Amino acid sequence: DTEVTQTPKHLVMGMTNKKSLKCEQHMGHRAMYWYKQKAKKPPELMFVYSYEKLSINESVPSRFSPECPNSSLLNLHLHALQPEDSALYLCASSPLLATRGSGANVLTFGAGSRLTVL
Amino acid sequence: SQQGEEDPQALSIQEGENATMNCSYKTSINNLQWYRQNSGRGLVHLILIRSNEREKHSGRLRVTLDTSKKSSSLLITASRAADTASYFCATGSRINNDMRFGAGTRLTVKP
Repeated sequence: DTEVTQTPKHLVMGMTNKKSLKCEQHMGHRAMYWYKQKAKKPPELMFVYSYEKLSINESVPSRFSPECPNSSLLNLHLHALQPEDSALYLCASSPLLATRGSGANVLTFGAGSRLTVL
Repeated sequence: SQQGEEDPQALSIQEGENATMNCSYKTSINNLQWYRQNSGRGLVHLILIRSNEREKHSGRLRVTLDTSKKSSSLLITASRAADTASYFCATGSRINNDMRFGAGTRLTVKP
């Protein structure tokens, strides 16, 4: 299995709703990523999990809450979002190399979850 | 946060022509990667070049890296309409597992 699966593909939510985006991979990758992408812009790094521990948080507002329950799953919990949070949310995974500093982490991306906040 | 800039932002060519995209980055890197994205979908890895390499080929793709200028270029030869997509360079730091993307080039190949 060489895929990263994201659900749902589309999500519409109000500003008071609580929802979650889910990401799953079965490639044995030990790094998982959340990116946010606005139209005609590059993906912006949000969070990185390494060995199920949060290793990078790019000063993302607390209304986005990541969770990594196990090595195959990554969630992004959404609460009290704003209309400007509407975007394509991309999940990716990569293997982690044993030797520090020699990384060549090739990312495998999911198809994305398109979020609209009303 | 974005790592660097790419130029051109948009490129339109005829089928069969070559397409060249450039990427500049700001920090010290381990490697530089190029990804492709079809409209509104996930990104697909194309090619990786390590910091101690100067040129790499894969099929119709040729990547160069100049670490002294902190820049890279992606050449697609004999382009096809199916190459129409956005192309992004991405760099990772030597220590973290972060991967950050440049602004991207939107390539249109006309049949």
